[in-house]
Amino acid sequence: NAGVTQTPKFRILKIGQSMTLQCTQDMNHNYMYWYRQDPGMGLKLIYYSVGAGITDKGEVPNGYNVSRSTTEDFPLRLELAAPSQTSVYFCASTDLGGQSSYEQYFGPGTRLTVT
Amino acid sequence: QKEVEQNSGPLSVPEGAIASLNCTYSDRGSQSFFWYRQYSGKSPELIMFIYSNGDKEDGRFTAQLNKASQYVSLLIRDSQPSDSATYLCAVRVYGQNFVFGPGTRLSVLP
Repeated sequence: NAGVTQTPKFRILKIGQSMTLQCTQDMNHNYMYWYRQDPGMGLKLIYYSVGAGITDKGEVPNGYNVSRSTTEDFPLRLELAAPSQTSVYFCASTDLGGQSSYEQYFGPGTRLTVT
Repeated sequence: QKEVEQNSGPLSVPEGAIASLNCTYSDRGSQSFFWYRQYSGKSPELIMFIYSNGDKEDGRFTAQLNKASQYVSLLIRDSQPSDSATYLCAVRVYGQNFVFGPGTRLSVLP
């Protein structure tokens, strides 16, 4: 059981380039999330999904897109990268039902630098 | 704007002391409250969750919730150097969405 996996671990992008951050979970969780964490800050929600085919915006969605074609995968697309998108990106998932099931399981993160 | 606030720290305590971490939240409709620990360069990991007023204990950790005051805290007893990390308070505000505080950096001095 690998939990939540993310690739790549590190990436440097030039301004204007695009890339996709991959996220996969093997726990059959319905809910998946993308967060960004800037230095010394908490986590900001970018997008989330409540199941395959359903996605919605979080607090900071501008400059990003997502898709959810399967339960397992939730890729995050950056179009036209900007320096403001330099951050650490975390993918997370959680199950539905029962207060104890609201624990979010986090991937190891992707450290992205845009120069 | 739903907000979760924490003292940014750093909070320094000697080994063996009690560390007290505080969190306030703005949305009275908040339903569940979580404390995550995050070591430098790592992803957050859940320490405790609480959803009823009062105290909840798990080993050296105690979470306290006061919904009337919109306040949740985490006490760490017998603090160890391995407890040195950033502690994130998270609040489930509606559905399956969570709002995170900025985190409090804790340093336990040997």
